[in-house]
Amino acid sequence: EDQVTQSPEALRLQEGESSSLNCSYTVSGLRGLFWYRQDPGKGPEFLFTLYSAGEEKEKERLKATLTKKESFLHITAPKPEDSATYLCAVQDGTSFQKLVFGTGTRLLVSP
Amino acid sequence: GAVVSQHPSRVICKSGTSVKIECRSLDFQATTMFWYRQFPKQSLMLMATSNEGSKATYEQGVEKDKFLINHASLTLSTLTVTSAHPEDSSFYICSASPSRGITGKTQYFGPGTRLLVL
Repeated sequence: EDQVTQSPEALRLQEGESSSLNCSYTVSGLRGLFWYRQDPGKGPEFLFTLYSAGEEKEKERLKATLTKKESFLHITAPKPEDSATYLCAVQDGTSFQKLVFGTGTRLLVSP
Repeated sequence: GAVVSQHPSRVICKSGTSVKIECRSLDFQATTMFWYRQFPKQSLMLMATSNEGSKATYEQGVEKDKFLINHASLTLSTLTVTSAHPEDSSFYICSASPSRGITGKTQYFGPGTRLLVL
């Protein structure tokens, strides 16, 4: 059974204080690993898809990396508007298109 | 691009009534759509997978007679909560995957529907 574990559960940063969020996964035949951002009371917003170990993707202050066992979401010089819950999800090669989500990391960036 | 809408955004209903939620992919076609449920401070739980022109596939523990799903076109799926009860109150979110491409299909999510059953 696919499993996704995210840490930390919550993270508080000062504006400009860089950090990383972790997503550890167990999956039979990774088809894709996805990062989403979710604001309170809204649906998840797509950030990145990673397909294979060693892959990296960047968008503004965010950079996602992937190894065979985990993914990191690096946040460089965060701003208060980066405050949100960040969700990681995996898609395996047998459960067609289904996503298994982690419980998320709640990020709060203070000015 | 890849915009998904949901309607209504919020609904309050009396116990025993039925509620229909629409999910539309606005700028792409989606052979497959998904319905999730999210409780406060919890992650998304997949309820069912909806395929255009065929019956939905429900996850274990989800009552298919209570949560009716119809995927009548490549841009529209509906979820009907029948005979709603207070325990059905939740945040319902749909997602859609573009029909083109087969590797690691990305799901794009709607804004969600907040259901409150009194």
